[in-house]
Amino acid sequence: EVQLVESGGGLVQPGGSLRLSCAASGFTFSTYWMHWVRQAPGKGLEWVSRLNHFGSSISYADSVRGRVTISRDNAKNTLYLEMNSLRVEDTAVYYCARPLVNTYNDENPLAFWGQGTLVTVSS
Amino acid sequence: IVLTQSPGTLSLSPGEGATLSCRAGQNVATKDLAWYQHKPGQAPRLLIYATSIRATGIPDRFSGSGSGTDFTLTISRLEPEDFAVYYCHQYGGAVFFGGGTKVEI
Repeated sequence: EVQLVESGGGLVQPGGSLRLSCAASGFTFSTYWMHWVRQAPGKGLEWVSRLNHFGSSISYADSVRGRVTISRDNAKNTLYLEMNSLRVEDTAVYYCARPLVNTYNDENPLAFWGQGTLVTVSS
Repeated sequence: IVLTQSPGTLSLSPGEGATLSCRAGQNVATKDLAWYQHKPGQAPRLLIYATSIRATGIPDRFSGSGSGTDFTLTISRLEPEDFAVYYCHQYGGAVFFGGGTKVEI
């Protein structure tokens, strides 16, 4: 059974930093692209970032580019999101998600999601 | 690619049908369009991908259609568990979600 478990969320002051983790199990983690998606309170889903199997192809949403870094450790089956210079508008539940199938180019829907971890940016 | 969903909210009763729209700012390949259901406190759930293919375990009252810039999710007869927020998602190349449609009782 595919499982994705996020952790690392919490309360942080504006300008602060946080590192989110997503522990994966039930599939061969190293063969899949992985994504982060967030949902701010009362708002819709917003795609944040993704990276390929080896971390050599990465993309970010304009809203976070330059402030967050996605990475992965295939030996630990873990996905990360390092968040810096956090803003109030980064307050959201952050989900990691896995595509439906393992492909070279990631043109895939997101079939498996974690339960999310809440990041609150507030003074 | 901007995905505009309408209406923002649909107020319906169990047993009624629902038609949700997703309009793209430019052409989207039919292979690159998905729909998700999202309930509070839960992970989003993939319903439909490649415009019209139901994901594993999704009941056949859910169906998707469309092409080009106009896509539709249809729920033929609403069950109590179908009241939720629905999102369309473009995943070919760049990744974007629509703003969502809330289906409420």
